[in-house]
Amino acid sequence: EAGVAQSPRYKIIEKRQSVAFWCNPISGHATLYWYQQILGQGPKLLIQFQNNGVVDDSQLPKDRFSAERLKGVDSTLKIQPAKLEDSAVYLCASSFLQETQYFGPGTRLLVL
Amino acid sequence: KQEVTQIPAALSVPEGENLVLNCSFTDSAIYNLQWFRQDPGKGLTSLLLIQSSQREQTSGRLNASLDKSSGRSTLYIAASQPGDSATYLCPETSGSRLTFGEGTQLTVNP
Repeated sequence: EAGVAQSPRYKIIEKRQSVAFWCNPISGHATLYWYQQILGQGPKLLIQFQNNGVVDDSQLPKDRFSAERLKGVDSTLKIQPAKLEDSAVYLCASSFLQETQYFGPGTRLLVL
Repeated sequence: KQEVTQIPAALSVPEGENLVLNCSFTDSAIYNLQWFRQDPGKGLTSLLLIQSSQREQTSGRLNASLDKSSGRSTLYIAASQPGDSATYLCPETSGSRLTFGEGTQLTVNP
């Protein structure tokens, strides 16, 4: 069974630039999550999708972050414009309903 | 506000030692509990899932227990190996939402 795929693995941008991350969940998993993990901290949930609908985006900084999952499969997370404090690892996870979450390898973002 | 406290924050042990990692939660009404490990520069790997009807779960050298009344969970690792070196996380679960603490950074020395 293929795992959660994410790209790119690494990204370096300057502040005020835009960036987008892509996630392909495990086949058949209706629930998709995006997490932000700042160095030395645990992951923090940014947004949760159930199919193509948003279940929880209470911790998403909506003035600069957006996410979509148009066909209920792949998802993209965008930051526009980026700030220095957005430097982190962005993790995507998926699950079948509310069971075990499976995480991708993450995208490491550095904002200069 | 949900918070997770993991003790100790860091642990360094010689190979072969048995060890215990601890988690405590602010919300004792825990539905289920999932322990993860995270290797440097990588995503999270699920180790054990304790369902709401269970009190413990075992996988190989790992045993996790959950005491809902006190809001605490323990991960026991038997006969530790250098390959067990990683950060261990036990997020608090509310529905499908996971709230993570900072984890326990484990180093097992050969």
